[in-house]
Amino acid sequence: DSGVTQTPKHLITATGQRVTLRCSPRSGDLSVYWYQQSLDQGLQFLIQYYNGEERAKGNILERFSAQQFPDLHSELNLSSLELGDSALYFCASSVGGQGPYEQYFGPGTRLTVT
Amino acid sequence: GQQVMQIPQYQHVQEGEDFTTYCNSSTTLSNIQWYKQRPGGHPVFLIQLVKSGEVKKQKRLTFQFGEAKKNSSLHITATQTTDVGTYFCAAFRDNYGQNFVFGPGTRLSVLP
Repeated sequence: DSGVTQTPKHLITATGQRVTLRCSPRSGDLSVYWYQQSLDQGLQFLIQYYNGEERAKGNILERFSAQQFPDLHSELNLSSLELGDSALYFCASSVGGQGPYEQYFGPGTRLTVT
Repeated sequence: GQQVMQIPQYQHVQEGEDFTTYCNSSTTLSNIQWYKQRPGGHPVFLIQLVKSGEVKKQKRLTFQFGEAKKNSSLHITATQTTDVGTYFCAAFRDNYGQNFVFGPGTRLSVLP
């Protein structure tokens, strides 16, 4: 158990819909990262937040957005969903600040778009 | 942009055989991290390499950072079925931790 929690575990929705994925980082961690992993594929970095502020942006679509709240939990919003958005979405956390730190990954949310 | 390759993409070994995966970058790196993802699981941090030519060992796992800081390797001695999974490298271009990319991973299968 990494200490990172993600809800829900599974999500099934239809094309065109909007969903919100939730992540709570490990106690004491200030940084949250979001990743997309399609079936048998690598980890695509989407976005990073540090202490409520956006820190780095990866290959995040305009239909996707995220935020980190004052209590440090984070939400990833996916809208106008397409079949190709079906994937495993991981959240990871680290202590944050300057410098590469080890990331602790949550169990993931499996999104299925039908 | 930054490109990171991992070879091989897949590796099947007999239990007891050695295994090596390589992570190659087109640019000089500041740090490299290695993660392991078991089937159906989430990535788990293994190690971070920082210095040129650095070698670190964890039991049967040996990690190395190239002299030019453009590549890294993970070597497993005498594989066991518990080593099954996908091994990812994460390549960092700077020390701020914001400019990084994960490699596509090497999937290891170990036949008992």
